[in-house]
Amino acid sequence: SQTIHQWPATLVQPVGSPLSLECTVEGTSNPNLYWYRQAAGRGLQLLFYSVGIGQISSEVPQNLSASRPQDRQFILSSKKLLLSDSGFYLCAWLDRGLYEQYFGPGTRLTVT
Amino acid sequence: GEDVEQSLFLSVREGDSSVINCTYTDSSSTYLYWYKQEPGAGLQLLTYIFSNMDMKQDQRLTVLLNKKDKHLSLRIADTQTGDSAIYFCAESKGDSSYKLIFGSGTRLLVRP
Repeated sequence: SQTIHQWPATLVQPVGSPLSLECTVEGTSNPNLYWYRQAAGRGLQLLFYSVGIGQISSEVPQNLSASRPQDRQFILSSKKLLLSDSGFYLCAWLDRGLYEQYFGPGTRLTVT
Repeated sequence: GEDVEQSLFLSVREGDSSVINCTYTDSSSTYLYWYKQEPGAGLQLLTYIFSNMDMKQDQRLTVLLNKKDKHLSLRIADTQTGDSAIYFCAESKGDSSYKLIFGSGTRLLVRP
């Protein structure tokens, strides 16, 4: 069966510090991968998606970036965090055969 | 344009049926999804419907799609306290990205 992992689960970082969030998927190959952000009390906003290694599409202009160095690894980064980067970050993968998108447990980021 | 709207809050008594509504604007949407989010957790895929279907039933869940009015609903029969959560509606065009556009979520409170 397929499993999606995210770490860390929670993170508190000062403004201006760098960020690296990691997501890995097990039990599937060549999945579409996604990064979403959920602000407090709101819906999800798509940040990046990837249809293959090294292929990244950005949905929202911001100071975040994403990379996919391996087939089942997706990384969200920032060189300098802003207060507005606080939120709940969710990684997801797509089962193309079933058109089903599954989410990881999320990382709660607080920028102070 | 892309916009998904949901009412913010619904309160029902345990044992009653719950109906959560969603409207979307993009007539080219191919798949429509319902997700459940419990506090502090990621999103759990509940069910989804293909745009050429009117209805889909899965145990206590019934999804109704009115494509003409771009209206989607999720009915939960015999609602239990464990159903208390935030429910998100999402649409996807089914292009190569399969990215999801989410509503802002409906908070369902089930009263004993």
